[in-house]
Amino acid sequence: GAGVSQSPSNKVTEKGKDVELRCDPISGHTALYWYRQSLGQGLEFLIYFQGNSAPDKSGLPSDRFSAERTGGSVSTLTIQRTQQEDSAVYLCASSLDSSYSPLHFGNGTRLTVT
Amino acid sequence: QKEVEQDPGPLSVPEGAIVSLNCTYSNSAFQYFMWYRQYSRKGPELLMYTYSSGNKEDGRFTAQVDKSSKYISLFIRDSQPSDSATYLCAMSETGANNLFFGTGTRLTVIP
Repeated sequence: GAGVSQSPSNKVTEKGKDVELRCDPISGHTALYWYRQSLGQGLEFLIYFQGNSAPDKSGLPSDRFSAERTGGSVSTLTIQRTQQEDSAVYLCASSLDSSYSPLHFGNGTRLTVT
Repeated sequence: QKEVEQDPGPLSVPEGAIVSLNCTYSNSAFQYFMWYRQYSRKGPELLMYTYSSGNKEDGRFTAQVDKSSKYISLFIRDSQPSDSATYLCAMSETGANNLFFGTGTRLTVIP
């Protein structure tokens, strides 16, 4: 596709349920990033993939959060036992590589935990 | 102290005005600087990408970096209602894998 694709665009879930968020990066982009954006908080880095490996998981808020990437392409961010404070927009971005190439973002998944 | 500081606004200007958006930072090792524009319910889109100090111009947009003052700016000339969005600065020491974002400035251009 032409850009980074994320699904679903909106997700409402009950506290305690697990959710999976999907990201399909731009074809040929080897680096993939997950960020979280909360109102007034700016973008919070979660995790970064180079190919299928994640050199930097430092931003994951807790062990309820995990992510994987397969085939150097699609990535899934999983949040287990969701809490209300997990409500935010989850943004995925990709870049040609992890050094000098700028990030290209998807439109995000708006997660609401009730 | 945050790595990157950005006035959240909101900033409201009349159509045709020159807009100045700014960020300050604390890490003197930052050398990659970006500006992103984010429309409501959309992802950020890259506007400008500069390396080290100096100016870069692209149409109505000019990005300036002053490393001695740890200060970057985005100027928008002849602002249009379609420029109404949130503008995020981002910067890095090593590249895209270690970006620090400002919280964004919300701009409204009034017709």
